[in-house]
Amino acid sequence: DVKVTQSSRYLVKRTGEKVFLECVQDMDHENMFWYRQDPGLGLRLIYFSYDVKMKEKGDIPEGYSVSREKKERFSLILESASTNQTSMYLCASSLRQDHQPQHFGDGTRLSIL
Amino acid sequence: GQQLNQSPQSMFIQEGEDVSMNCTSSSIFNTWLWYKQDPGEGPVLLIALYKAGELTSNGRLTAQFGITRKDSFLNISASIPSDVGIYFCAAPGTSYGKLTFGQGTILTVHP
Repeated sequence: DVKVTQSSRYLVKRTGEKVFLECVQDMDHENMFWYRQDPGLGLRLIYFSYDVKMKEKGDIPEGYSVSREKKERFSLILESASTNQTSMYLCASSLRQDHQPQHFGDGTRLSIL
Repeated sequence: GQQLNQSPQSMFIQEGEDVSMNCTSSSIFNTWLWYKQDPGEGPVLLIALYKAGELTSNGRLTAQFGITRKDSFLNISASIPSDVGIYFCAAPGTSYGKLTFGQGTILTVHP
């Protein structure tokens, strides 16, 4: 079974802090993704990566950056956290081949005070 | 861009009832995926469909890939309380590896 592990289930940070969300997958997947999920807005893609050191902006990249130094690890960085970044953050991974499903972690519920 | 229109947005049903939900698009897809998200958890893949007309079952769940390749359906038979959650359809996006997701159907099952 694919295992996607997010480092924290719940996280509380303060406005202006730099926040790191970590995601690790154990299935040698090339693609990794970061989403945020808000009520009524569904899943929105923040950034994705299709290879080590490669990254591409998703639909809502503003206020975020990412890092992929190793194939199994994809980090989401909130450069200066703001209250409107309070959300559920989901990491996912998939194989690079066509039409492969994504496999999700359990999510990190982030609160910015 | 590509959009998936998922309906209904929410359903409130009694235990034992059957459930139907669907996903439609103006675009043609070669793959349809159905996920379930339990409260407080990440989405889990339920069923993957790769061929127009394909009908696939997973226990009490049955999903179909529409013949026009623009829609898909998910049915749950004899619902139970643990069926509660959000059900998402998904299909390949415009960029390699990306998925486009429907807005989700929130299912509530009353015992």
